[in-house]
Formats: sequence, C-alpha cells, structure tokens
Amino acid sequence: ETGVTQTPRHLVMGMTNKKSLKCEQHLGHNAMYWYKQSAKKPLELMFVYNFKEQTENNSVPSRFSPECPNSSHLFLHLHTLQPEDSALYLCASSQDSVSGLGTDTQYFGPGTRLTVL
Amino acid sequence: AQSVAQPEDQVNVAEGNPLTVKCTYSVSGNPYLFWYVQYPNRGLQFLLKYITGDNLVKGSYGFEAEFNKSQTSFHLKKPSALVSDSALYFCAVRDGNAGNMLTFGGGTRLMVKP
Repeated sequence: ETGVTQTPRHLVMGMTNKKSLKCEQHLGHNAMYWYKQSAKKPLELMFVYNFKEQTENNSVPSRFSPECPNSSHLFLHLHTLQPEDSALYLCASSQDSVSGLGTDTQYFGPGTRLTVL
Repeated sequence: AQSVAQPEDQVNVAEGNPLTVKCTYSVSGNPYLFWYVQYPNRGLQFLLKYITGDNLVKGSYGFEAEFNKSQTSFHLKKPSALVSDSALYFCAVRDGNAGNMLTFGGGTRLMVKP
C-alpha cells in the first residue's frame, strides 16, 4: 500500500449505529487531518493531529470522535449521526515541523462515502 | 482569518485550447497556496504549490499557476486542455506564519469538450 488509504470506501448507517472510519498513511508523515466534503459546500476541516496530539477541533459536534493512536493511523468514531452528516470524509497527512509551520503538502486518501439513513 | 474564492462554479473549454481556473485569496501573513484536483469518487490529488520564489509555478500534468501578490490571485493555467483534464479543481491557502490549517475554495468544475 502506498500513500494514504481509507476504509471503508462506502458506509451506510442508521442514526442509532456506531461505526468507525479508518485512515492509514504510509508516507512517514507526522500530521494527520479529517475533512468533511458535502455537496455544494467547501471542504471543511474537522480535526488536526500533530505528532499524535490533537491541535485543532474545528467546532465539530461530539457525535464525531477522533482517535490517533500513532502517527500512521487515524480513526473517526461515529455515533448517533444525523442525515445531514452524510458526506465524503477525507483523511490527509503531511510532514510538518514541530511548530506547525512546515510548508509541506497535505496528501489525501480516496475518502469514505458516508450515508446516514 | 484566511479565505479563498473561486468565482466560477464551472469552466468550459474546447480540447486543445488554453484553460484558466481562477483563484483569489485573503490571508494576514505570508500566503502558501495550493491547487488540488479531484476526479469522480476519488480524493484530492496535489497539483502544485507556491511557497516562495518564482511567481510562476509548474506542476503535474502540464499545469502551472501564477502568484500575483498585488491582485492576491493564484490562477491555474494550462496551455492546451485535454478531455482527461475534466475534473473538480480546488484552490487552497494557508497562512505561512500561523499553523498548518488549509482553507479551501468552493471548487471549480472544469469541462473539456472534444
């Protein structure tokens, strides 16, 4: 596997379900990100992890819970979602400096298409 | 605060013609600017970036972009469009003086017709 991988690629869940999205990066990066891409809306940054520490939480509802056990893996735990949470969830990684002032590019995975019924 | 505007929802170009996809930005510090492309059912793919140096940046697949500080623009260009260039294009900016948060524009759909 190369680059950034995400599983599953498609997920359909009911509002009472609990599920998790997984992201793995094979690039040796130290920062990972979750984005939400909805139809007709700009990409929304949800969470940022630098060196496994969460450094950004962009006012995301608590029904989304991130987990970053190491610098290569990132999870997004989902529970009691709403239909408006249906979207493409994208994971990205980059190599950034300790201060977060690195210039390096974010590389994206293929995304998980989530449908909440 | 930082922001990006892509004023065109869609750009239509004939194959072989030059193409331009527009992007303007607002950032308080030094702008780091990026272009990404997204094909159907795929994630975003990096095309090119401007950090510093030459205002004309060359990237993947024959694309280039010109940084214009006075007009706060970073338009994406290609001299000769291909049908396979048809996709969704995103411009993004981050403040080089403050963290690693990227702010994306709303995207522009490029349609290249044979």
